[in-house]
Amino acid sequence: GQSLEQPSEVTAVEGAIVQINCTYQTSGFYGLSWYQQHDGGAPTFLSYNGLDGLEETGRFSSFLSRSDSYGYLLLQELQMKDSASYFCAVRDFNGGFKTIFGAGTRLFVKA
Amino acid sequence: DAMVIQNPRYQVTQFGKPVTLSCSQTLNHNVMYWYQQKSSQAPKLLFHYYDKDFNNEADTPDNFQSRRPNTSFCFLDIRSPGLGDAAMYLCATSRTRASGGPNEQFFGPGTRLTVL
Repeated sequence: GQSLEQPSEVTAVEGAIVQINCTYQTSGFYGLSWYQQHDGGAPTFLSYNGLDGLEETGRFSSFLSRSDSYGYLLLQELQMKDSASYFCAVRDFNGGFKTIFGAGTRLFVKA
Repeated sequence: DAMVIQNPRYQVTQFGKPVTLSCSQTLNHNVMYWYQQKSSQAPKLLFHYYDKDFNNEADTPDNFQSRRPNTSFCFLDIRSPGLGDAAMYLCATSRTRASGGPNEQFFGPGTRLTVL
């Protein structure tokens, strides 16, 4: 079967660094995406890793290790506006391409 | 600005009373998706259209139907809403589906459905 696991909640203070982990189990893994969703808002795309390693986009970085079926999203210099839910999503091929979302990690940023 | 628009943002219906949610896009994307999202859960894909080609997920109840009359518009019809169908319904688009790349999806703001 297919499954994604990420922590349900993470709390951090403003200015700190936080890492949100995602482990996955799928049959036809192609890549890992991250989406951000503020309360009452639409998910928005943050990053994608198709190959092992680190991808950096401003304060956000995402990492993938295919051999470990593991990735993470790293948020640096946390700001209050980063309080949101973060979803990892696997790009999977099983007779056709599909994106499968994890249950999301709710990040609380405290002053 | 190119975008995905959903109307209405909030919809209240009665148990068993049919309801239609609408989605439009100005991105000219080939693929449109409907997701159901319940509180603190992942978006759950109901179905998607690749152009006019309809693709139902195996576990999507028959109670949910969809129409895509043209590239820009897509509708979600819930024929007989039950209390368990109360959720946020998200419409999304992507340029293509046959890609091993990011296949970035662009989401609308969602319609929150309440069933009384």
